[in-house]
Amino acid sequence: SYELSQPSSVSVSPGQTASITCSGDKLGDKYVCWYQQKPGQSPVLVIYEDTKRPSGIPERFSGSNSGNTATLTISGTQAMDEADYYCQAWDSSTGVFGTGTTVTVL
Amino acid sequence: EVQLVESGGGLVQPGGSRTLSCAASGFTFSSYWMHWVRQAPGKGLVWVSRINSDGSSTPYADSVKGRFTISRDNAKNTLYLQMSSLRAEDTAVYYCVRDSKVARPGLDYWGQGTLVTVSS
Repeated sequence: SYELSQPSSVSVSPGQTASITCSGDKLGDKYVCWYQQKPGQSPVLVIYEDTKRPSGIPERFSGSNSGNTATLTISGTQAMDEADYYCQAWDSSTGVFGTGTTVTVL
Repeated sequence: EVQLVESGGGLVQPGGSRTLSCAASGFTFSSYWMHWVRQAPGKGLVWVSRINSDGSSTPYADSVKGRFTISRDNAKNTLYLQMSSLRAEDTAVYYCVRDSKVARPGLDYWGQGTLVTVSS
């Protein structure tokens, strides 16, 4: 079955850039979405179709996808961005989530 | 306002069955594909199943295939997940999720989830 791997944690200072990677076989051939989940809350879609932001998502969130790796970048990270982040793709009709990354804003 | 409200969670014995429901409102339910996604306590998100608009296509994760059945009643604006032969590893919060039409292929609205605990 298809698998997506993410680093378990990323630390970033306020105002700096956080980059979260998502790795999978030929992932660049698929569309990747990213979700943010804060403690005790349901996930929120922050990036779809590799690079696009849904309405209401701040511009500091951006995405890319090429080869075997997709990346979520948070520019000018704020304390409110501290959360778990999950990448997600579709393998045929089956959904696959990444292992998740905890972003800590120090 | 889009709302997805899950119900039916609770304590179930291993080998038992449970049916989850998700009441949808604020959008034309019959036009949207819907999903179930679960999250074990302290763990990551896991996609469970998807159903298309008319219920004719229902793929499942390997971990639940043959044990879980997704269905919908478009007249009642309700999504279901019938779970049988439940195992301890099925313990999780189960989210009802809408497939986006605008932000495809993303999942744009999530319910608050309902907790299913499988334990004797």
